[in-house]
Amino acid sequence: GIQVEQSPPDLILQEGANSTLRCNFSDSVNNLQWFHQNPWGQLINLFYIPSGTKQNGRLSATTVATERYSLLYISSSQTTDSGVYFCAVEDGGGGADGLTFGKGTHLIIQP
Amino acid sequence: SQTIHQWPATLVQPVGSPLSLECTVEGTSNPNLYWYRQAAGRGLQLLFYSVGIGQISSEVPQNLSASRPQDRQFILSSKKLLLSDSGFYLCAWSPYRKAEAFFGQGTRLTVV
Repeated sequence: GIQVEQSPPDLILQEGANSTLRCNFSDSVNNLQWFHQNPWGQLINLFYIPSGTKQNGRLSATTVATERYSLLYISSSQTTDSGVYFCAVEDGGGGADGLTFGKGTHLIIQP
Repeated sequence: SQTIHQWPATLVQPVGSPLSLECTVEGTSNPNLYWYRQAAGRGLQLLFYSVGIGQISSEVPQNLSASRPQDRQFILSSKKLLLSDSGFYLCAWSPYRKAEAFFGQGTRLTVV
């Protein structure tokens, strides 16, 4: 099946800093999503971005499907940005439905 | 707008007891439905998905089963829980194949 690798696994930053999270995937995809898992475990949808670039406030994401990677940018970090960020993809071929998740990036924003 | 409900939020069950977790979606029809598990650590793993009533596909062999008795209802079950079934279970839906998926708030299951 498709493989998803996220980097870095852990990231500690000061409030106000910018960060870039990376997601590499091993095959073509029809669906790529970025999630933020809050302290209660809920997965918050950040972006649905199988290709191209999107922005939402301080967050933006870019997926280069031909090179099989996606980047999540967080600017002017706030302590509320802390948590685990997941990239998840869905097979672009005739494979099974459902998302394959990376192991996540654990982000800690210090005041 | 569409909403997804999952309950209970937390559950502590003894080894060998049965399990039933329920998930319902409102505001849409014929959704794709999914069960995922997040075990110790961070990774989430797809357990089951369903594209319609009575249609269940299993991604991994395990002590669990799923059923879809109604269009917007998805149930995760076990006849006898194992310690290894402990984890965080999340239900999700999408409007069609390969579309954006939305997750419920999850059930934290501890088997003791």
